[in-house]
Amino acid sequence: KQEVTQIPAALSVPEGENLVLNCSFTDSAIYNLQWFRQDPGKGLTSLLLIQSSQREQTSGRLNASLDKSSGRSTLYIAASQPGDSATYLCAVDLYNFNKFYFGSGTKLNVKP
Amino acid sequence: EPEVTQTPSHQVTQMGQEVILRCVPISNHLYFYWYRQILGQKVEFLVSFYNNEISEKSEIFDDQFSVERPDGSNFTLKIRSTKLEDSAMYFCASSERGGEISPLHFGNGTRLTVT
Repeated sequence: KQEVTQIPAALSVPEGENLVLNCSFTDSAIYNLQWFRQDPGKGLTSLLLIQSSQREQTSGRLNASLDKSSGRSTLYIAASQPGDSATYLCAVDLYNFNKFYFGSGTKLNVKP
Repeated sequence: EPEVTQTPSHQVTQMGQEVILRCVPISNHLYFYWYRQILGQKVEFLVSFYNNEISEKSEIFDDQFSVERPDGSNFTLKIRSTKLEDSAMYFCASSERGGEISPLHFGNGTRLTVT
């Protein structure tokens, strides 16, 4: 069974810092990996989708990388802002059915 | 921007009662999903639905659960006889296509509380 782990569980940084969130997964035979943002009491917002054939994806201040062979992905957030405060979830799809296995998330707090 | 909408936002029910959670996926999407998140735990896949049938389901999705697309816009999750352990946030999601190149779009969830 696929296990997805996210480190750290929580992170508090001052505004303006660049930061890296880590995700690891046990089964490297994934079809794609998606990073989501979850705000308290809200749904999940898709941030970046990386296909298995890709190494990275970028959207604005966000950059996600994927290393399938080592079972790792990172989400890089540049110049963090208080509005980035949320829980960030990593999820992997093993079967190309959008049947995602989620990590527990990293709760990010960006202090003004 | 089009979004997935879920109703109600919060549902309280007594153990043993039937509940129906409702979702309106994004209109041009063809694939529909239910996920759930028990408080303090990971988001878990329940079921995927395409072309009016279940395409994949998890071991959680037993005979107490069913899904339906009763018309061209709604997608529902029914729990026949709720248990205390069914208390969770239930998320509906949809995607334009299946799998690799089509991101999931989630609704804001229905918080189900079983007493």
